[in-house]
Amino acid sequence: QSVVTQPPSVSGAPGQTVTISCTGSSSNIGAGYDVHWYQQLPKTAPKLLIYANNYRPSGVPNRFSASKSGTFASLAITGLQAEDEADYYCQSYDSSLRGSVFGGGTKLTVL
Amino acid sequence: QVQLVQSGAEVKKPGSSVKVSCKASGGTFSRYAISWVRQAPGQGLEWMGGIIPISGTANYEQQFQGRVTITADESTSTAYMELSSLRSEDTAVYYCARAGVSGSHLGWFDSWGQGTLVIVSS
Repeated sequence: QSVVTQPPSVSGAPGQTVTISCTGSSSNIGAGYDVHWYQQLPKTAPKLLIYANNYRPSGVPNRFSASKSGTFASLAITGLQAEDEADYYCQSYDSSLRGSVFGGGTKLTVL
Repeated sequence: QVQLVQSGAEVKKPGSSVKVSCKASGGTFSRYAISWVRQAPGQGLEWMGGIIPISGTANYEQQFQGRVTITADESTSTAYMELSSLRSEDTAVYYCARAGVSGSHLGWFDSWGQGTLVIVSS
């Protein structure tokens, strides 16, 4: 059971916008630690999608954006495409555990 | 961008140990933390621990304390993760990942290895 919670699944039709939530606590997201997001396509290693709450690495489309407030973070994907179908994970640091923590992951289905 | 290449798949007996390697190329090795993250079949990502090679000091997730040892060899730009007292629940893909920020265990992972499947079975 992860200390950072994500919905198990979300879905949307091509062209629509979906958001994935990431809820933490006062020892991780709420303590001010940054939130990062990863995309994991089937049978591949995770790929950095968003770092430091809202920065996109080069090559990541601007359809992907993220925000953070208090103990909560979210990832938004606009103009959904079939290739966006993947698992998405948020990650932060937890001061009680003294290490990185991942959310449980959210499976995005493009209808 | 640094590239991380991991050692191949392993099949181990319960109670034994496994050591997985992660060789870095194309970037600075010593000052960037290398973490190990595992993913059991059909499950999410789980951080196990990490090391900043130049310091030689590793941090471990509490549940793995005493069973996992993470080391790094600066001369070969290779990090290692050894997990002992293996049980069936340790069957997973093990990834190494490099921190995006120099000298810190905080922050994101900007490069990942391809993953190493470890199967624990009698």
